[in-house]
Amino acid sequence: EVQLVESGGGLVQPGRSMKLSCAASGFTFSNYGMAWVRQAPTKGLEWVATISYDGSSTYYRDSVKGRFTISRDNAKSTLYLQMNSLRSEDTATYYCTRGVLHDYWGQGVMVTVSS
Amino acid sequence: DVVLTQSPATLSVTPGERISLSCRASESVDTYLHWYQQKPNESPRLLIKYASQSISGIPSRFSGSGSGTDFTLSINGVELEDLSIYYCQQGNSLPYTFGAGTKLELK
Repeated sequence: EVQLVESGGGLVQPGRSMKLSCAASGFTFSNYGMAWVRQAPTKGLEWVATISYDGSSTYYRDSVKGRFTISRDNAKSTLYLQMNSLRSEDTATYYCTRGVLHDYWGQGVMVTVSS
Repeated sequence: DVVLTQSPATLSVTPGERISLSCRASESVDTYLHWYQQKPNESPRLLIKYASQSISGIPSRFSGSGSGTDFTLSINGVELEDLSIYYCQQGNSLPYTFGAGTKLELK
């Protein structure tokens, strides 16, 4: 059974940093690209970043480019999202998803940026 | 950026009826258009991939059609468990974008 389990969320002040993790199991992690998708409270879905199966290619939406870094450790089957210079508009539930199809989603982790 | 416009924003339904949800792209996305369902307080799940391809484990009453800029998600015989928000998403060009969603509610 495919499982994606996010961790690392919480309350953070504007301008500070936070790192999210996503532990994957039930499939060969190193064979799949992975992504982060977020959802602000009561809002729709927004793609954040994607990383290729081997980590050699990364893609970001403009609003997080230069502030967020997606990475992965295939030996640990874990996906990461390093978030720096956080803003109030980054407040959202962050989902870890598998592949370009987002065919599996984690349960989500809430990130609240507020003073 | 490709803008996906979903209509209607809200649809009131009666169990058993056949319904269609629309997703229109601001430019062609070929068939790189996927549909997701999000039930209240749950994570989204993939319903249809590449406009019309079915997903294992998804009930056969869900189907998709379209290409280019106009796409449709159909539910043949709505059930109470289908009351959710449905999102379309394009994977043709960066940044990948989602529509604002269509909410199915009980009439």
